Amino acid sequence: SQKIEQNSEALNIQEGKTATLTCNYTNYSPAYLQWYRQDPGRGPVFLLLIRENEKEKRKERLKVTFDTTLKQSLFHITASQPADSATYLCALPGGYNKLIFGAGTRLAVHP
Amino acid sequence: SAVISQKPSRDICQRGTSLTIQCQVDSQVTMMFWYRQQPGQSLTLIATANQGSEATYESGFVIDKFPISRPNLTFSTLTVSNLSPEDSSIYLCSVLRAINEKLFFGSGTQLSVL
Repeated sequence: SQKIEQNSEALNIQEGKTATLTCNYTNYSPAYLQWYRQDPGRGPVFLLLIRENEKEKRKERLKVTFDTTLKQSLFHITASQPADSATYLCALPGGYNKLIFGAGTRLAVHP
Repeated sequence: SAVISQKPSRDICQRGTSLTIQCQVDSQVTMMFWYRQQPGQSLTLIATANQGSEATYESGFVIDKFPISRPNLTFSTLTVSNLSPEDSSIYLCSVLRAINEKLFFGSGTQLSVL
């Protein structure tokens, strides 16, 4: 079955820098990949979806890349702000209309 | 978008009792799901709530432990039965409006079992 690996260690960066989070998967290349943000005590919120035929997707300060050869997606937040501090989850299709999630990487942006 | 109201937001329950979690969506949706998120872990799909028929459970989850109702296209309940401390988790309701698109989540129910 598909497995998703995200760095379990928290990522600490300085405000204004670019944060880069990694999502690796182990088996078949999915038709798409999604990124979510989760704040403490809240449900995940969708950020971006990138399809297998797209190399890169951007939304404001967010950028996602998808490398099906490396079986990896990178999630970038440019000009990071303390308000970007949260846990970021990677998700892949895991069957008919189902998503499987990585454990997430916690990002802390320090002033 | 979808507005999902999930309640209770948190509860503390005694071992051996049950907790029923409600999920109300602001409009009709075809697909509703229940996830569990154990401390420090990823979201794990419990089941797909099917309107008018029995829920479809994932491996490791059974109806006797996690009975689900879906009486209409805007509402579902998840019951966690015969509670044990291992059931302490966050339980999340989610909906899918279109195939292969994004999920919308409720704010979750934090369950602690003593």
